[in-house]
Amino acid sequence: DAKTTQPTSMDCAEGRAANLPCNHSTISGNEYVYWYRQIHSQGPQYIIHGLKNNETNEMASLIITEDRKSSTLILPHATLRDTAVYYCIVRAGGSNYKLTFGKGTLLTVNP
Amino acid sequence: DTAVSQTPKYLVTQMGNDKSIKCEQNLGHDTMYWYKQDSKKFLKIMFSYNNKELIINETVPNRFSPKSPDKAHLNLHINSLELGDSAVYFCASSLSSGFRGEKLFFGSGTQLSVL
Repeated sequence: DAKTTQPTSMDCAEGRAANLPCNHSTISGNEYVYWYRQIHSQGPQYIIHGLKNNETNEMASLIITEDRKSSTLILPHATLRDTAVYYCIVRAGGSNYKLTFGKGTLLTVNP
Repeated sequence: DTAVSQTPKYLVTQMGNDKSIKCEQNLGHDTMYWYKQDSKKFLKIMFSYNNKELIINETVPNRFSPKSPDKAHLNLHINSLELGDSAVYFCASSLSSGFRGEKLFFGSGTQLSVL
């Protein structure tokens, strides 16, 4: 599975959009981009995933560049409860599903 | 109702003891996992079961033995506990082991402290 690079930490003001970048320059054609987050002392939580096209759900939007070498997770109106570690994961399709988590980005939403 | 529930939430024990962590999911999923999160906060997969069959075993010491009595349960038994086993253990489940945008649902974790 392709490796990802994320900033160690980011800050965001409450109510503003949080844009979390992820580089995955070695991604191959059948690899999906997943985002999970882990709020302190809780289990990881799925946010969104995508292959080529931009995706949006009730939690966030995922913007994937045309060359697929990077992506951005957007939380449109960050709240204090969005403070968490955000993991960008790239994974190929196929059986024996296995997510490999990196270090992630600690997003701190400030009042 | 909690989708993926693990017990106990905290486990404090002495080196050399044997302990078990239980996990149950009520989502009707076919696949369950155990992940370990160490003190540096890295989350690593340990095992995966699909319909009670072991499909992933990530070079975990054989002191760790998962058991899946049915597809809704995946328990983790650890023999001869060592200091290095101290970590948070997360159980998770997904609809199937195949892939296509499978979401993993995680439990709230079991914090194991070996003294």
